[in-house]
Amino acid sequence: GEDVEQSLFLSVREGDSSVINCTYTDSSSTYLYWYKQEPGAGLQLLTYIFSNMDMKQDQRLTVLLNKKDKHLSLRIADTQTGDSAIYFCAERNAGNMLTFGGGTRLMVKP
Amino acid sequence: SAVISQKPSRDICQRGTSLTIQCQVDSQVTMMFWYRQQPGQSLTLIATANQGSEATYESGFVIDKFPISRPNLTFSTLTVSNMSPEDSSIYLCSVEDTGIAEAFFGQGTRLTVV
Repeated sequence: GEDVEQSLFLSVREGDSSVINCTYTDSSSTYLYWYKQEPGAGLQLLTYIFSNMDMKQDQRLTVLLNKKDKHLSLRIADTQTGDSAIYFCAERNAGNMLTFGGGTRLMVKP
Repeated sequence: SAVISQKPSRDICQRGTSLTIQCQVDSQVTMMFWYRQQPGQSLTLIATANQGSEATYESGFVIDKFPISRPNLTFSTLTVSNMSPEDSSIYLCSVEDTGIAEAFFGQGTRLTVV
């Protein structure tokens, strides 16, 4: 079945850029997503990218997709303490279902 | 984007009892889903809530344990039946619409079974 992998933890200093990485195995993915989960909250959709694109930028967020290597990344510019959360990547397969990674906990130090 | 309200936001329940979680959307949506997020884990799809018919369950989840209702295009319930401590999780409702790539989530229901 599909597999989506993320590193568990990332720590950065306030003002630096954060890069959260994700790899997936399903070559038939149609869309890939990044969600943010703050403590005690649900999932907030941050951004998504169509599998035929290789980059998408939305304010401080940049998504890069390497379809050949099945690698997705989320770059957060000028990271703030409010960006501290768990970030999940997810892929939508040809059957239209979502598979989530295990989440990366981002800690931003002042 | 859809506004999704889940109730309750959290609950502490005795083992052997049942809890029904409600999900209300502010607009009609084609698809509604229920996910489970066990402590420190990622999300696992429980089932797709089908309007007017039985829900479609994923492997490892059964209707007797997780009965689901979807009476219309804006509302669904998930019941966690005969609870045990292993059912302690966050349960999340998600909605999608035909032809739209986004999937939106409610704020989740944090369930603790003692």
